[in-house]
Amino acid sequence: GENVEQHPSTLSVQEGDSAVIKCTYSDSASNYFPWYKQELGKGPQLIIDIRSNVGEKKDQRIAVTLNKTAKHFSLHITETQPEDSAVYFCAARRAGNMLTFGGGTRLMVKP
Amino acid sequence: EPEVTQTPSHQVTQMGQEVILRCVPISNHLYFYWYRQILGQKVEFLVSFYNNEISEKSEIFDDQFSVERPDGSNFTLKIRSTKLEDSAMYFCASRGDRALGGGFGSGTRLTVV
Repeated sequence: GENVEQHPSTLSVQEGDSAVIKCTYSDSASNYFPWYKQELGKGPQLIIDIRSNVGEKKDQRIAVTLNKTAKHFSLHITETQPEDSAVYFCAARRAGNMLTFGGGTRLMVKP
Repeated sequence: EPEVTQTPSHQVTQMGQEVILRCVPISNHLYFYWYRQILGQKVEFLVSFYNNEISEKSEIFDDQFSVERPDGSNFTLKIRSTKLEDSAMYFCASRGDRALGGGFGSGTRLTVV
């Protein structure tokens, strides 16, 4: 089955700096890669996703890149703000199958 | 914006008791999922449901678990005889036919004592 590894497990940045979280996956048939933000006591909230036929996608301060050959994808957050502090999860899925999540990254943005 | 709703938000139950966790998926969505997250750990897939039947399930989803879509709006997860290790957050999710993202509910925190 699919295995998703996520690094780092914790990340502390100064407000205004950029944050990068990286994930690798094992199943070359995976074609959908979402990123979720989870705040304390809440469910995962989709923040951005990318399909395997696209190499990069951007939405305001958030961008995701995908390298299919290397089987890794990354989340980039620019101009971080204290409200970006949360746990971020990457995930991967083959068509019609369930999501396999990474282990999560606790991002702390210091004012 | 439509969202997945789950009830209750927190349930405490005695070991060995049956629990039913309830979810109302986003209207017109076709795929339904249950995930769980043990405190401090990653989100784990339990089961997916499509066209009124289970389409995939994980090793966690053993004979103690079952899912049902009793009517056109609810999607339930039943644990027949709870164990201490069933204590976790349980998330329901749904997605439409073409929508790859879908949505997650806020979860039910199950505490087995």
